[in-house]
Amino acid sequence: DAKTTQPPSMDCAEGRAANLPCNHSTISGNEYVYWYRQIHSQGPQYIIHGLKNNETNEMASLIITEDRKSSTLILPHATLRDTAVYYCIVRVEGGSEKLVFGKGTKLTVNP
Amino acid sequence: NAGVTQTPKFQVLKTGQSMTLQCAQDMNHEYMSWYRQDPGMGLRLIHYSVGAGITDQGEVPNGYNVSRSTTEDFPLRLLSAAPSQTSVYFCASSRQGSYGYTFGSGTRLTVV
Repeated sequence: DAKTTQPPSMDCAEGRAANLPCNHSTISGNEYVYWYRQIHSQGPQYIIHGLKNNETNEMASLIITEDRKSSTLILPHATLRDTAVYYCIVRVEGGSEKLVFGKGTKLTVNP
Repeated sequence: NAGVTQTPKFQVLKTGQSMTLQCAQDMNHEYMSWYRQDPGMGLRLIHYSVGAGITDQGEVPNGYNVSRSTTEDFPLRLLSAAPSQTSVYFCASSRQGSYGYTFGSGTRLTVV
């Protein structure tokens, strides 16, 4: 599986958009980009995933560059409850079903 | 829907003891996995399964055993507990295909 690179930490003001970057320069054509988050010591929570097109759901938006070498997770109006570690993962559909977690980005939303 | 249920939530073991961490899901998911998370670190895959009767090793399988006799259950066995296995253990499940995993709330294990 391709590896991802994320900044170790980021800060965001409450109510502002949080933009979390992820580099996956060796991603293959059949690999999806997934985002999860882990709040404090809870189990990780699935947020969103995409292949080529931008995706949006009730939690976030995912912007994938045209060359697919990087992506950005956008939390449009961050709240204090969004403080968490965010993980960007690439995963092959229908192939090995191993999710490989990196160290993620610790997002701190400040009042 | 209970989702992914892990038991127990907390456990203290003595070195050399064995135990089984239970994981059950009621979503009819084909895929199930076990992860461990040490303080300040990301999750590391121990074992995973793509269906009943099929299991495979992850990054850190030594000292752990799994089996998958039903779709719903995926127990993780510690054969002879060691202090290095002190960790938080998460079980997760997913439908086959490009779907997100659902994680349990974790089992916090201390080996003394």
